[in-house]
Amino acid sequence: AAGVIQSPRHLIKEKRETATLKCYPIPRHDTVYWYQQGPGQDPQFLISFYEKMQSDKGSIPDRFSAQQFSDYHSELNMSSLELGDSALYFCASSSRGTYNEQFFGPGTRLTVL
Amino acid sequence: AQKVTQAQTEISVVEKEDVTLDCVYETRDTTYYLFWYKQPPSGELVFLIRRNSFDEQNEISGRYSWNFQKSTSSFNFTITASQVVDSAVYFCALPLRGGSEKLVFGKGTKLTVNP
Repeated sequence: AAGVIQSPRHLIKEKRETATLKCYPIPRHDTVYWYQQGPGQDPQFLISFYEKMQSDKGSIPDRFSAQQFSDYHSELNMSSLELGDSALYFCASSSRGTYNEQFFGPGTRLTVL
Repeated sequence: AQKVTQAQTEISVVEKEDVTLDCVYETRDTTYYLFWYKQPPSGELVFLIRRNSFDEQNEISGRYSWNFQKSTSSFNFTITASQVVDSAVYFCALPLRGGSEKLVFGKGTKLTVNP
């Protein structure tokens, strides 16, 4: 069965650089969530989109932005990267009507040097 | 507010032992779902179970079983005859409503199964 695809899987950036993470949800899933997991931490919700509109916002820094495109894939854009942004970034997708059965992608491990 | 507490930070067992991971939650919702996810050392989050608050029957899937007790707001996870491959961090999670059903995770329990 198709799963959530995230790219790249690993990313190394310097401080103050920008990064773009991509997420391709499971086909026919209309909702995408982004989570950030710091080292030794639990995943923290950043932002979600339903039918290409932002549906909720969590503890996402102003330096980050995200959007969902017409093909339902989503991109998380991160600017002015800081050392503290080093984390595992997960994308999850679900379909309204299946009540929140979120399936997670493999994650993108971002390292900021 | 929604809250998930996993009091056990780390557990270490020897292969073939049974182990129970505790999860206690707080919610104002009358109906809700609860989740368990496994995160092996490779890092991905693997969905294990989703439980509806209406259904208090215990669930068993192979060596895994879940005990849902609404009266004590607990949703504990037991691995029978543990194996080395069960070594991972296990997260209990609860949806936080409001715009979307984003998940609120517990801090996780790191399980190490030694040969």
